[in-house]
Amino acid sequence: RKEVEQDPGPFNVPEGATVAFNCTYSNSASQSFFWYRQDCRKEPKLLMSVYSSGNEDGRFTAQLNRASQYISLLIRDSKLSDSATYLCVVNMGYNFNKFYFGSGTKLNVKP
Amino acid sequence: NAGVTQTPKFQVLKTGQSMTLQCAQDMNHEYMSWYRQDPGMGLRLIHYSVGAGITDQGEVPNGYNVSRSTTEDFPLRLLSAAPSQTSVYFCASSRGQPVSGNTIYFGEGSWLTVV
Repeated sequence: RKEVEQDPGPFNVPEGATVAFNCTYSNSASQSFFWYRQDCRKEPKLLMSVYSSGNEDGRFTAQLNRASQYISLLIRDSKLSDSATYLCVVNMGYNFNKFYFGSGTKLNVKP
Repeated sequence: NAGVTQTPKFQVLKTGQSMTLQCAQDMNHEYMSWYRQDPGMGLRLIHYSVGAGITDQGEVPNGYNVSRSTTEDFPLRLLSAAPSQTSVYFCASSRGQPVSGNTIYFGEGSWLTVV
């Protein structure tokens, strides 16, 4: 079983749509959660951290559900520029120096 | 702003050859790491360092060595290249432990093919 699992997609949505991704993690001791964005053949870049109470950054909302061990990312009013692969990142239990990356969910926003 | 710089960007090796991927950061970050990314696998941690002189193994360390003689540099050595090491390699750094508030910054990646 993978430590962090994501639906690979692709999610094909029209501009302006709302889209949500989930990511499940296996280690209940994990404490740090992130969403990274990766464009084709580029390096990953931080999109947002995920806090226990949930957090929002513009059109992006991240949620954490510890009981069910998943995090989610909601993108509202999708833009063409949102097309990318979204990586879920979770620290390895009590070790804050090691992180698991999900294999990513691909989003295609169409005109 | 240079950030995290990796070289080379592309490399083809023959099986059994050794090579070093260079990584340097100019942000005075304590924490540095190397990941490999394979299709459908996500990024996997190879080795990491929490400061000069301190390194530790990640998830997939076999076949790789690292050293951290300075804060700025964190080279990754492939000892005897194998086709299974064909991958995209990313070097990364962060100011401290990559917890919330400490962003991980990645280099642009090194595409390695072992034939």
